Amino acid sequence: NAGVTQTPKFRILKIGQSMTLQCAQDMNHNYMYWYRQDPGMGLKLIYYSVGAGITDKGEVPNGYNVSRSTTEDFPLRLELAAPSQTSVYFCASTDRGLPQETQYFGPGTRLLVL
Amino acid sequence: RKEVEQDPGPFNVPEGATVAFNCTYSNSASQSFFWYRQDCRKEPKLLMSVYSSGNEDGRFTAQLNRASQYISLLIRDSKLSDSATYLCVVNVGTGGFKTIFGAGTRLFVKA
Repeated sequence: NAGVTQTPKFRILKIGQSMTLQCAQDMNHNYMYWYRQDPGMGLKLIYYSVGAGITDKGEVPNGYNVSRSTTEDFPLRLELAAPSQTSVYFCASTDRGLPQETQYFGPGTRLLVL
Repeated sequence: RKEVEQDPGPFNVPEGATVAFNCTYSNSASQSFFWYRQDCRKEPKLLMSVYSSGNEDGRFTAQLNRASQYISLLIRDSKLSDSATYLCVVNVGTGGFKTIFGAGTRLFVKA
């Protein structure tokens, strides 16, 4: 199993550009999450999904969109990149979304917006 | 006040030392507790869950004090490979819970 995979690993965007961060998992997990991690801060939840076709906002959703057409894939879309979106983005998954479950993280995407 | 607070460190310790990390949480509805490890420029990975009775995994011991809303992680006989950032993670709520990550405590173990 590859676990949770993310592409690209690193990207530089100009202000106003758009891009999609890809996330896929091969563990047949129902729940998937997108987080951002800023220096010196804890991870913040952007969006999450409890299954194919169902998504919901997290703590910091502004400026982002997601879709979940399959169990495996959960892409994150930035429509109009802003410098405040410079961060490291982690995708994660859990099996049933229970509070005692481990979250499995992808390797992250480092995004720099200039 | 942050919902989950950790000493940011860094902690600089020699090999073989014992080091303790502390974490406090503010929400009394918190129900699940974890320590994750994050290596430099890598993703977080579960180190261990934390149970009310305390639990141990080799050189690592985790403790939970619900009355004080306090979690600890003790690392004995530190190794160079223990150098990383340790994240305190708390799940708050029952039906629809929220995961709160601490900002992490950085550990450097030196030869």
